[in-house]
Amino acid sequence: GAVVSQHPSWVICKSGTSVKIECRSLDFQATTMFWYRQFPKQSLMLMATSNEGSKATYEQGVEKDKFLINHASLTLSTLTVTSAHPEDSSFYICSARDNPIGYGYTFGSGTRLTVV
Amino acid sequence: AQSVTQLDSQVPVFEEAPVELRCNYSSSVSVYLFWYVQYPNQGLQLLLKYLSGSTLVKGINGFEAEFNKSQTSFHLRKPSVHISDTAEYFCAAQGAQKLVFGQGTRLTINP
Repeated sequence: GAVVSQHPSWVICKSGTSVKIECRSLDFQATTMFWYRQFPKQSLMLMATSNEGSKATYEQGVEKDKFLINHASLTLSTLTVTSAHPEDSSFYICSARDNPIGYGYTFGSGTRLTVV
Repeated sequence: AQSVTQLDSQVPVFEEAPVELRCNYSSSVSVYLFWYVQYPNQGLQLLLKYLSGSTLVKGINGFEAEFNKSQTSFHLRKPSVHISDTAEYFCAAQGAQKLVFGQGTRLTINP
Protein backbone atom coordinates (compact mmCIF):
# COMPACT_ATOMS: atom_id res chain seq x y z
CA GLY A 1 0.00 0.00 0.00
CA ALA A 2 0.86 3.66 -0.18
CA VAL A 3 3.44 4.80 2.35
CA VAL A 4 4.30 8.30 3.49
CA SER A 5 7.51 8.80 5.42
CA GLN A 6 7.76 11.80 7.71
CA HIS A 7 11.04 12.87 9.26
CA PRO A 8 12.07 13.60 11.93
CA SER A 9 9.64 11.93 14.29
CA TRP A 10 10.61 14.34 17.04
CA VAL A 11 12.78 17.40 17.32
CA ILE A 12 13.78 19.83 20.03
CA CYS A 13 15.05 23.23 19.01
CA LYS A 14 15.95 26.50 20.63
CA SER A 15 13.69 29.49 20.39
CA GLY A 16 14.55 31.62 17.37
CA THR A 17 15.92 28.81 15.23
CA SER A 18 14.28 27.17 12.21
CA VAL A 19 13.24 23.56 11.83
CA LYS A 20 12.54 21.62 8.65
CA ILE A 21 10.18 18.66 8.51
CA GLU A 22 10.17 16.35 5.49
CA CYS A 23 7.31 14.37 4.06
CA ARG A 24 8.04 11.79 1.38
CA SER A 25 5.75 9.52 -0.59
CA LEU A 26 7.74 6.32 -0.94
CA ASP A 27 5.91 4.29 -3.55
CA PHE A 28 3.67 6.73 -5.35
CA GLN A 29 3.70 10.21 -6.76
CA ALA A 30 1.82 12.75 -4.74
CA THR A 31 0.75 15.80 -6.66
CA THR A 32 -0.98 17.11 -3.55
CA MET A 33 0.22 17.01 0.03
CA PHE A 34 -1.35 18.41 3.15
CA TRP A 35 0.15 19.71 6.38
CA TYR A 36 -1.73 19.52 9.66
CA ARG A 37 -1.10 20.69 13.16
CA GLN A 38 -2.49 18.86 16.15
CA PHE A 39 -2.68 20.20 19.68
CA PRO A 40 -2.87 17.77 22.61
CA LYS A 41 -6.15 15.90 22.75
CA GLN A 42 -7.52 17.84 19.80
CA SER A 43 -8.32 17.15 16.20
CA LEU A 44 -6.15 17.87 13.20
CA MET A 45 -6.08 21.41 11.95
CA LEU A 46 -5.25 21.81 8.29
CA MET A 47 -2.48 24.35 7.84
CA ALA A 48 -1.89 24.26 4.12
CA THR A 49 -2.26 22.33 0.91
CA SER A 50 0.77 22.02 -1.31
CA ASN A 51 0.77 21.13 -4.97
CA GLU A 52 3.91 20.07 -6.73
CA GLY A 53 5.56 22.93 -8.54
CA SER A 54 3.29 25.66 -7.25
CA LYS A 55 2.84 27.79 -4.17
CA ALA A 56 1.09 26.29 -1.20
CA THR A 57 -2.43 27.31 -0.30
CA TYR A 58 -2.62 28.30 3.34
CA GLU A 59 -5.69 28.10 5.53
CA GLN A 60 -7.01 31.26 7.10
CA GLY A 61 -5.02 32.31 10.13
CA VAL A 62 -1.87 30.38 9.24
CA GLU A 63 1.21 32.57 8.88
CA LYS A 64 2.79 31.97 5.51
CA ASP A 65 6.11 33.49 6.49
CA LYS A 66 6.40 31.38 9.62
CA PHE A 67 5.39 28.06 8.10
CA LEU A 68 7.20 27.75 4.79
CA ILE A 69 6.06 24.91 2.59
CA ASN A 70 7.95 23.64 -0.42
CA HIS A 71 6.73 20.91 -2.76
CA ALA A 72 9.53 20.76 -5.27
CA SER A 73 9.01 17.19 -6.47
CA LEU A 74 6.23 14.65 -6.77
CA THR A 75 7.56 12.73 -3.79
CA LEU A 76 8.74 15.39 -1.37
CA SER A 77 7.15 18.24 0.51
CA THR A 78 8.82 20.13 3.34
CA LEU A 79 7.52 22.31 6.13
CA THR A 80 9.94 24.78 7.67
CA VAL A 81 9.01 26.43 10.93
CA THR A 82 10.97 29.67 10.89
CA SER A 83 12.08 31.56 13.98
CA ALA A 84 10.36 29.01 16.16
CA HIS A 85 8.89 29.98 19.50
CA PRO A 86 7.52 27.84 22.33
CA GLU A 87 3.96 28.41 21.10
CA ASP A 88 4.91 26.61 17.88
CA SER A 89 5.47 23.45 19.87
CA SER A 90 2.99 20.92 18.54
CA PHE A 91 2.50 17.68 16.64
CA TYR A 92 2.74 18.20 12.89
CA ILE A 93 1.37 15.61 10.46
CA CYS A 94 1.58 15.46 6.70
CA SER A 95 -0.58 13.50 4.32
CA ALA A 96 -0.56 12.82 0.63
CA ARG A 97 -3.31 12.06 -1.78
CA ASP A 98 -2.33 8.68 -3.10
CA ASN A 99 -4.82 8.60 -5.92
CA PRO A 100 -5.39 11.66 -8.08
CA ILE A 101 -8.80 10.38 -9.12
CA GLY A 102 -10.07 8.62 -6.05
CA TYR A 103 -10.21 9.66 -2.44
CA GLY A 104 -7.23 8.06 -0.81
CA TYR A 105 -5.14 9.89 1.73
CA THR A 106 -2.06 8.43 3.38
CA PHE A 107 -0.67 10.02 6.50
CA GLY A 108 2.85 10.34 7.77
CA SER A 109 3.71 9.27 11.30
CA GLY A 110 3.94 12.83 12.56
CA THR A 111 6.63 15.06 14.02
CA ARG A 112 6.65 16.21 17.63
CA LEU A 113 8.22 19.66 17.73
CA THR A 114 9.31 21.11 21.05
CA VAL A 115 10.71 24.62 21.14
CA VAL A 116 12.65 25.52 24.28
CA ALA B 1 -19.81 24.14 4.31
CA GLN B 2 -18.87 20.59 5.08
CA SER B 3 -18.73 19.75 8.79
CA VAL B 4 -18.25 16.59 10.81
CA THR B 5 -19.42 16.07 14.38
CA GLN B 6 -18.30 13.28 16.65
CA LEU B 7 -20.82 13.16 19.42
CA ASP B 8 -18.65 11.60 22.10
CA SER B 9 -15.26 12.91 23.11
CA GLN B 10 -14.56 9.82 25.21
CA VAL B 11 -15.97 6.31 25.18
CA PRO B 12 -14.92 3.84 27.89
CA VAL B 13 -15.84 0.19 27.38
CA PHE B 14 -14.87 -3.13 28.84
CA GLU B 15 -12.75 -5.56 26.91
CA GLU B 16 -14.74 -7.88 24.63
CA ALA B 17 -17.77 -5.59 24.79
CA PRO B 18 -19.27 -4.03 21.65
CA VAL B 19 -18.67 -0.38 20.87
CA GLU B 20 -20.17 2.28 18.66
CA LEU B 21 -18.49 5.59 17.92
CA ARG B 22 -20.88 8.13 16.53
CA CYS B 23 -20.29 10.50 13.63
CA ASN B 24 -22.64 12.88 11.88
CA TYR B 25 -21.88 14.96 8.84
CA SER B 26 -23.47 17.81 7.02
CA SER B 27 -23.46 17.99 3.29
CA SER B 28 -25.74 18.78 0.41
CA VAL B 29 -23.62 17.09 -2.22
CA SER B 30 -22.05 13.69 -2.76
CA VAL B 31 -20.41 12.45 0.41
CA TYR B 32 -17.22 10.52 0.88
CA LEU B 33 -16.61 9.48 4.47
CA PHE B 34 -13.67 8.04 6.37
CA TRP B 35 -12.72 6.68 9.75
CA TYR B 36 -9.13 6.92 10.93
CA VAL B 37 -7.39 5.63 14.05
CA GLN B 38 -4.51 7.38 15.75
CA TYR B 39 -2.28 5.70 18.31
CA PRO B 40 -0.21 7.89 20.67
CA ASN B 41 2.43 9.97 18.92
CA GLN B 42 1.62 8.49 15.54
CA GLY B 43 -0.05 9.56 12.35
CA LEU B 44 -3.47 8.44 11.17
CA GLN B 45 -4.26 5.01 9.84
CA LEU B 46 -7.28 4.44 7.63
CA LEU B 47 -9.83 2.04 9.12
CA LEU B 48 -12.40 2.24 6.36
CA LYS B 49 -14.05 4.55 3.87
CA TYR B 50 -17.36 4.98 2.14
CA LEU B 51 -17.35 6.28 -1.41
CA SER B 52 -20.44 4.64 -2.90
CA GLY B 53 -22.28 1.33 -3.10
CA SER B 54 -23.16 -0.78 -0.08
CA THR B 55 -23.95 1.32 2.95
CA LEU B 56 -22.26 -1.19 5.27
CA VAL B 57 -18.52 -0.81 5.01
CA LYS B 58 -16.08 -3.26 6.51
CA GLY B 59 -12.63 -2.16 7.48
CA ILE B 60 -9.50 -3.40 9.17
CA ASN B 61 -9.20 -4.73 12.71
CA GLY B 62 -12.80 -5.94 12.76
CA PHE B 63 -14.35 -2.48 12.46
CA GLU B 64 -17.33 -1.63 10.30
CA ALA B 65 -19.41 1.45 9.67
CA GLU B 66 -22.82 2.13 8.24
CA PHE B 67 -23.61 5.06 6.03
CA ASN B 68 -27.08 6.42 6.73
CA LYS B 69 -28.05 9.18 4.35
CA SER B 70 -31.36 10.01 5.96
CA GLN B 71 -29.74 10.49 9.34
CA THR B 72 -26.52 11.93 7.89
CA SER B 73 -24.55 9.52 10.02
CA PHE B 74 -21.56 7.24 9.62
CA HIS B 75 -21.21 5.42 12.92
CA LEU B 76 -18.29 3.10 13.56
CA ARG B 77 -18.86 -0.23 15.27
CA LYS B 78 -16.95 -3.23 16.53
CA PRO B 79 -18.69 -6.25 18.08
CA SER B 80 -15.90 -7.09 20.51
CA VAL B 81 -13.08 -4.74 21.42
CA HIS B 82 -9.58 -5.52 22.59
CA ILE B 83 -7.13 -3.65 24.76
CA SER B 84 -5.17 -2.87 21.60
CA ASP B 85 -8.10 -0.84 20.26
CA THR B 86 -7.36 1.89 22.79
CA ALA B 87 -6.71 4.93 20.62
CA GLU B 88 -8.14 8.13 19.23
CA TYR B 89 -10.64 7.74 16.40
CA PHE B 90 -11.40 10.41 13.83
CA CYS B 91 -14.30 10.62 11.43
CA ALA B 92 -13.66 12.66 8.30
CA ALA B 93 -15.50 13.78 5.21
CA GLN B 94 -14.22 14.84 1.84
CA GLY B 95 -14.75 18.55 1.45
CA ALA B 96 -13.60 20.85 -1.30
CA GLN B 97 -10.30 19.19 -2.20
CA LYS B 98 -9.49 18.41 1.43
CA LEU B 99 -10.56 16.30 4.37
CA VAL B 100 -12.70 17.76 7.11
CA PHE B 101 -12.19 16.06 10.47
CA GLY B 102 -14.40 15.58 13.45
CA GLN B 103 -13.17 16.41 16.92
CA GLY B 104 -12.10 12.86 17.66
CA THR B 105 -13.27 10.20 20.11
CA ARG B 106 -10.95 8.66 22.62
CA LEU B 107 -11.74 4.97 23.00
CA THR B 108 -10.55 3.49 26.26
CA ILE B 109 -10.73 -0.24 26.86
CA ASN B 110 -10.90 -1.42 30.43
CA PRO B 111 -9.90 -4.98 31.32
